[in-house]
Amino acid sequence: AQKVTQAQTEISVVEKEDVTLDCVYETRDTTYYLFWYKQPPSGELVFLIRRNSFDEQNEISGRYSWNFQKSTSSFNFTITASQVVDSAVYFCALSEAIKAAGNKLTFGGGTRVLVKP
Amino acid sequence: DGGITQSPKYLFRKEGQNVTLSCEQNLNHDAMYWYRQDPGQGLRLIYYSQIVNDFQKGDIAEGYSVSREKKESFPLTVTSAQKNPTAFYLCASAESADTQYFGPGTRLTVL
Repeated sequence: AQKVTQAQTEISVVEKEDVTLDCVYETRDTTYYLFWYKQPPSGELVFLIRRNSFDEQNEISGRYSWNFQKSTSSFNFTITASQVVDSAVYFCALSEAIKAAGNKLTFGGGTRVLVKP
Repeated sequence: DGGITQSPKYLFRKEGQNVTLSCEQNLNHDAMYWYRQDPGQGLRLIYYSQIVNDFQKGDIAEGYSVSREKKESFPLTVTSAQKNPTAFYLCASAESADTQYFGPGTRLTVL
């Protein structure tokens, strides 16, 4: 069975500090996808990134960066120079290989990030 | 604007009542999903549908039912058999098996 673990339940930082969110996953599939979503206080999940299991290149998008390490089954997310608007719950998720019946997402428990001014 | 809408935003249910949550998308996505989120926890899959008139049970389907009569609509009924329905319900859609995009959610409370 698939499993996603986000060991940090809550992280509190002061604005402009960097913050790294850990994500460790388990799967028997050789082909899979990893995702990060942001859930602000309004509740809607906002898609941030998708990474397939064959692409281990790190990615940077503005102040966000992701480190995918297949050898340790980790897909960590870093926010550089955090801002108050980054305060949210962040979810890591794993999907099965693409199948005709549709892919199912397995979510981690989420990490709440609180950025203080 | 393209997107996913859910209604109502807040819903209150009395014990023993069935209630239906609406989910509509105008993204022309094939697949649609329903998730449940309990406080401080991740999302769990209730039902999903890849095409019209077809749907599959997720991990926690007991006490719920769905229909998919139109591509753009995937309503969820929370039946009286669901013993603890108070939760936040999120609907998502995706182009076939691609990235899932989420609606704003419905918060259901049992009185």
